[in-house]
Amino acid sequence: ETGVTQTPRHLVMGMTNKKSLKCEQHLGHNAMYWYKQSAKKPLELMFVYSLEERVENNSVPSRFSPECPNSSHLFLHLHTLQPEDSALYLCASSLRLAASTDTQYFGPGTRLTVL
Amino acid sequence: AQKITQTQPGMFVQEKEAVTLDCTYDTSDQSYGLFWYKQPSSGEMIFLIYQGSYDEQNATEGRYSLNFQKARKSANLVISASQLGDSAMYFCAMRRTGRRALTFGSGTRLQVQP
Repeated sequence: ETGVTQTPRHLVMGMTNKKSLKCEQHLGHNAMYWYKQSAKKPLELMFVYSLEERVENNSVPSRFSPECPNSSHLFLHLHTLQPEDSALYLCASSLRLAASTDTQYFGPGTRLTVL
Repeated sequence: AQKITQTQPGMFVQEKEAVTLDCTYDTSDQSYGLFWYKQPSSGEMIFLIYQGSYDEQNATEGRYSLNFQKARKSANLVISASQLGDSAMYFCAMRRTGRRALTFGSGTRLQVQP
């Protein structure tokens, strides 16, 4: 199943670098999400987009900047990150934004290490 | 606040045997969805099975079935005929109608032994 793809799969960056994570969904969905999965912590929702409009930002630091140019693509721009930002970043999509019946489908994730 | 509890941090099962992974949830909502995901060491979160709060029958998907007991607020995942490839982390999650996020449990690491 390659409905949701993410690139790169692994990323190592210094604290002064600027990088971007890319997510693409091929499912015709209208909502896209960024989640963060740190070691020994539950998944945390970071951002939600519906029809290219950001509808939720869960108190995420400004060093993370999302972008959704169209309903199929989602980016997460990273700059001046901290070592504690090292985590697995997962992108997901669902057909609709807030229906409890809609499954969120996840990509393979980007494993980020900040040195 | 909604909460998902998975009390088994790790489980072992012999190949070809069945295993039950526990999940309890806490919500006062009447309309919600329950999901199980599998996460292999590669990291991808793979959707396995869904149960709606109004569904009267337990969901089944191939070797996966969901033992839904609404009064007890439990949604246990049953994997029949375990395979070595089933070794992974398993997460129970809930989504309420009108809410954007899935709430995940802490996960259960399943190891299938030959």
